[in-house]
Amino acid sequence: GQNIDQPTEMTATEGAIVQINCTYQTSGFNGLFWYQQHAGEAPTFLSYNVLDGLEEKGRFSSFLSRSKGYSYLLLKELQMKDSASYLCALLDSNYQLIWGAGTKLIIKP
Amino acid sequence: GAVVSQHPSRVICKSGTSVKIECRSLDFQATTMFWYRQFPKKSLMLMATSNEGSKATYEQGVEKDKFLINHASLTLSTLTVTSAHPEDSSFYICSARGDREAGELFFGEGSRLTVL
Repeated sequence: GQNIDQPTEMTATEGAIVQINCTYQTSGFNGLFWYQQHAGEAPTFLSYNVLDGLEEKGRFSSFLSRSKGYSYLLLKELQMKDSASYLCALLDSNYQLIWGAGTKLIIKP
Repeated sequence: GAVVSQHPSRVICKSGTSVKIECRSLDFQATTMFWYRQFPKKSLMLMATSNEGSKATYEQGVEKDKFLINHASLTLSTLTVTSAHPEDSSFYICSARGDREAGELFFGEGSRLTVL
C-alpha cells in the first residue's frame, strides 16, 4: 500500500528557518511534490523531486531520499505570508497523486 | 506558467437544485483533469479523474450519478452536482496535468459551494 506522513502543525518565528518533513511508503514512485495552500484557496505548486538530492528555488528548497522514503521542504527567511498549509504529495506508478494530510505552518512575529 | 481557470468561485444554491462548475485550461491542452473536494481543515480528496473523450474514473465512495463529470474538449471539464444537499457544501477544486514536466498539476482557483 501507500502511506504518507507529515506533522500536523508546526510553529516558527519570522525570519527563521523551518524544515517540514515527509515520509512515505509506496511500491511505485514517479516523484514527490510539495504544494502550498493558504486557507480557502487552491494549492500552488512549490517543487517536484524525482531524483535524490536538494532542489533550491529561492527561499524554498526541497530534498528527496528515495532509499529512505523521505523528503523535506526547507523554508528560509520566513515571512508572515508563509503561514499556510504545506502538502506533500506522492506521484505513484500510475501517475496519480497521493496526498499527505498537510502541515499547518504558523509564523509568529 | 500554465493557467487553469475555474468558475464560479462561489455559488449558493437551494437544496434540490443542480450546480455546474467549469474548469478550463487556458494556455495548454489537458487530456486529463482531476476533480477534488476539500472538507474543512482536511487535505484534498480526489473525487474523479476526467479524461477527454471518455468516461470519468471515479474514486471509491464517490457517487457517479450525483457528481457528473464531462470532459468534452481538451480545454474544458465540468462537474455538475445534481440534486444538491447541504452536506454537499464544500470547496471543489479542479486541476489539469500539464504537458511539460511529468505529473505537474496546475490548479484552478476552487469553487466554494454552499447549499441552503
